[in-house]
Amino acid sequence: DAGVIQSPRHEVTEMGQEVTLRCKPISGHDYLFWYRQTMMRGLELLIYFNNNVPIDDSGMPEDRFSAKMPNASFSTLKIQPSEPRDSAVYFCASSRIGSNQPQHFGDGTRLSIL
Amino acid sequence: QQQVKQSPQSLIVQKGGISIINCAYENTAFDYFPWYQQFPGKGPALLIAIRPDVSEKKEGRFTISFNKSAKQFSLHIMDSQPGDSATYFCAALPYGGATNKLIFGTGTLLAVQP
Repeated sequence: DAGVIQSPRHEVTEMGQEVTLRCKPISGHDYLFWYRQTMMRGLELLIYFNNNVPIDDSGMPEDRFSAKMPNASFSTLKIQPSEPRDSAVYFCASSRIGSNQPQHFGDGTRLSIL
Repeated sequence: QQQVKQSPQSLIVQKGGISIINCAYENTAFDYFPWYQQFPGKGPALLIAIRPDVSEKKEGRFTISFNKSAKQFSLHIMDSQPGDSATYFCAALPYGGATNKLIFGTGTLLAVQP
């Protein structure tokens, strides 16, 4: 089975540009999570969806960040305008419903804002 | 705010030795404690997990020990191998939550020297 697929794997762009990260969850999974990983702050949950509906976006750092899940097989995380402090690895994960269901992570997008 | 504290931040172990990573939580309302393993350039992947009604769980060389009264749980890697070199995250799932929203520790970078 295909795992969680993220694109692009690497993104380098200049400050002020719009950045869009993409995620395809595992088919049949009910939950989708977006995380950000940095050396300083570790793994932070930004937002998660249940059946395509955003449930908790309290981890989204600023209004510059937005996420959508238009259907069960696709989600985007957008940063507009981007800033150097947004540089991090962004992970998408998905899981089935149930307390013992593991989250399956993609390989991440390494984002560098110059 | 619910938290999971993880230590040490980094760990160096000789091949064949025992690696021990500790986590402690501050809220009793957790009912699922997974450990994730992350290799460079990859997303975290579930390694092993335990529920609080069990004091120990073993899978191969990996063992979770759980101390409910002390609100602590730890990962032991027996006969550590260079291939075990990775970052390890403990996590906890709030009890009774209808979501799979995990609270992650800050991670431990393990290096196993040959």
